[in-house]
Amino acid sequence: SQQGEEDPQALSIQEGENATMNCSYKTSINNLQWYRQNSGRGLVHLILIRSNEREKHSGRLRVTLDTSKKSSSLLITASRAADTASYFCATFYSKLTFGKGITLSVRP
Amino acid sequence: DTEVTQTPKHLVMGMTNKKSLKCEQHMGHRAMYWYKQKAKKPPELMFVYSYEKLSINESVPSRFSPECPNSSLLNLHLHALQPEDSALYLCASSQTLLQGTAEQYFGPGTRLTVT
Repeated sequence: SQQGEEDPQALSIQEGENATMNCSYKTSINNLQWYRQNSGRGLVHLILIRSNEREKHSGRLRVTLDTSKKSSSLLITASRAADTASYFCATFYSKLTFGKGITLSVRP
Repeated sequence: DTEVTQTPKHLVMGMTNKKSLKCEQHMGHRAMYWYKQKAKKPPELMFVYSYEKLSINESVPSRFSPECPNSSLLNLHLHALQPEDSALYLCASSQTLLQGTAEQYFGPGTRLTVT
């Protein structure tokens, strides 16, 4: 069964705006990861946050993790048209399990 | 080299054919994975190899047969597939299966169509 559940399922924003995506999960995790997928091709790892971490930054990405609420959020600041893709959260506990994904469209 | 390569990019096969998908990485990773992804769905884990040994089989039908000939190569042998097996097959690798270092690197995938 799928661990992560992203919210919203689709997001459309203007270039330059920030995009916030949320993920909820159901059971214990060792870490939570976010991946990006362009046009049904391979996934690209964006960021990993361990269960004992609360916030992490990487470039224009900021991810938070609240293990008490079993939720995570991914913030992409100053979005670009090239950020248009599907984004998946994935929880790791013995194996990686992906959520349903969020489709992000960034309008130029 | 942080690339995982997969061949072929596209494959069309009949239900009686035998074909193989290939995956290669030269990052020294010791864990390799096969995932299946249907359109507009998330990837679903099929198999995990750790140090060339099958570690996880997610109850995949026997018409899919994985093989790990060495630490850089991963194959998926296909035989007597069904049309519902049409999907994007993704290969991935990671340093190990250790829980704290589970970042995975994905190949571009093989788009499989079963006719």
